[in-house]
Amino acid sequence: NAGVTQTPKFRVLKTGQSMTLLCAQDMNHEYMYWYRQDPGMGLRLIHYSVGEGTTAKGEVPDGYNVSRLKKQNFLLGLESAAPSQTSVYFCASSYPQRYPTGNTIYFGEGSWLTVV
Amino acid sequence: DQQVKQNSPSLSVQEGRISILNCDYTNSMFDYFLWYKKYPAEGPTFLISISSIKDKNEDGRFTVFLNKSAKHLSLHIVPSQPGDSAVYFCAAPGTGSARQLTFGSGTQLTVLP
Repeated sequence: NAGVTQTPKFRVLKTGQSMTLLCAQDMNHEYMYWYRQDPGMGLRLIHYSVGEGTTAKGEVPDGYNVSRLKKQNFLLGLESAAPSQTSVYFCASSYPQRYPTGNTIYFGEGSWLTVV
Repeated sequence: DQQVKQNSPSLSVQEGRISILNCDYTNSMFDYFLWYKKYPAEGPTFLISISSIKDKNEDGRFTVFLNKSAKHLSLHIVPSQPGDSAVYFCAAPGTGSARQLTFGSGTQLTVLP
């Protein structure tokens, strides 16, 4: 049972290079998310998607783009990497979040990105 | 402006004792709260949640308390075990249509044998 899978797990980029992080989920979840984790900052939402073909900005979207061409995949792109984008990136997925409670969101294992 | 705050970056507790992790929030519209646990090199995993209509929710050794008037919640772990050593995040669904989670900055719990 794979759950949420992220590739690659580790990557070193030079400033200005571009790359794409791939997230795949096999739970048929409609919602998908990209978070970044930085020391002292917790988990901050970059972009999210509430369904195939839809995307929306989160708390820290600048410098990133996303695409959700298939329900099971959510891609995070860095067009021109900067050292400030050195972080651990987590993809997550869930069923729709309904008021007044919510559904558990499931995280991948993380992708460590270093920009030098 | 952080809407969910964890003011203690770290906590050390002796094995067998109680661990109390705290979380404060600023948005009175939050109606549901969650705690996630994260081990090194792994993704966060869901631990326990509480609805704003309750003031306590218990699951085994883990209990979450909610004080709405103080906009404060706490996670109690009794008894603490070395395997509980991890980073704990509190979170709340936003008021937007997607109710995406807003996380606190996390507290590193270390349980000493």
